[in-house]
Amino acid sequence: GAGVSQTPSNKVTEKGKYVELRCDPISGHTALYWYRQSLGQGPEFLIYFQGTGAADDSGLPNDRFFAVRPEGSVSTLKIQRTERGDSAVYLCASSDIAGAREQYFGPGTRLTVT
Amino acid sequence: AQSVAQPEDQVNVAEGNPLTVKCTYSVSGNPYLFWYVQYPNRGLQFLLKYITGDNLVKGSYGFEAEFNKSQTSFHLKKPSALVSDSALYFCAVRDMLDTGNQFYFGTGTSLTVIP
Repeated sequence: GAGVSQTPSNKVTEKGKYVELRCDPISGHTALYWYRQSLGQGPEFLIYFQGTGAADDSGLPNDRFFAVRPEGSVSTLKIQRTERGDSAVYLCASSDIAGAREQYFGPGTRLTVT
Repeated sequence: AQSVAQPEDQVNVAEGNPLTVKCTYSVSGNPYLFWYVQYPNRGLQFLLKYITGDNLVKGSYGFEAEFNKSQTSFHLKKPSALVSDSALYFCAVRDMLDTGNQFYFGTGTSLTVIP
């Protein structure tokens, strides 16, 4: 079946602009995660959804970052007033339930803020 | 605080030799432990996990890992390395007591298998 997809694969934007990154999880997966991966680092947790609700958003670095999952499937990560330090690969993952289940990752969106 | 350490940034091994990629962790409660592999321009792929039970777990592509509670380690192993195993490997941990379901990843180990 289809895996996790993310669009766009690459996004270049100017400092101060607004961006939206989309994640389409595996069908039927109720848990969805967003991570940020900087060069030479492992994925850093941002936010976790169980269904439509953000069950844990403690990893969001500041209030410029926001994510939604209105129908419990597709999720959008939104970044306002982008800064050069926001440049990274943003990864999305899903699992059928939370807890001990392994996560299935998308290919990521590479965000570059100039 | 929860954390994962992968002490080696780079591991080189000759094809056919056994390989080990090291991982140690720190959690408040008991751990869920995972290994993922990342190939260039590809997403992370799940290899194996330890939840409970036997300390030696077997996973995809002939990989295995041994959970050692006293040493708080979860090293990834393979008896005979293949050139195609060359990739970036990440260890991850989640604390069973964490209601927020956060996973913590190490910084990764780049494995190069030399023909």
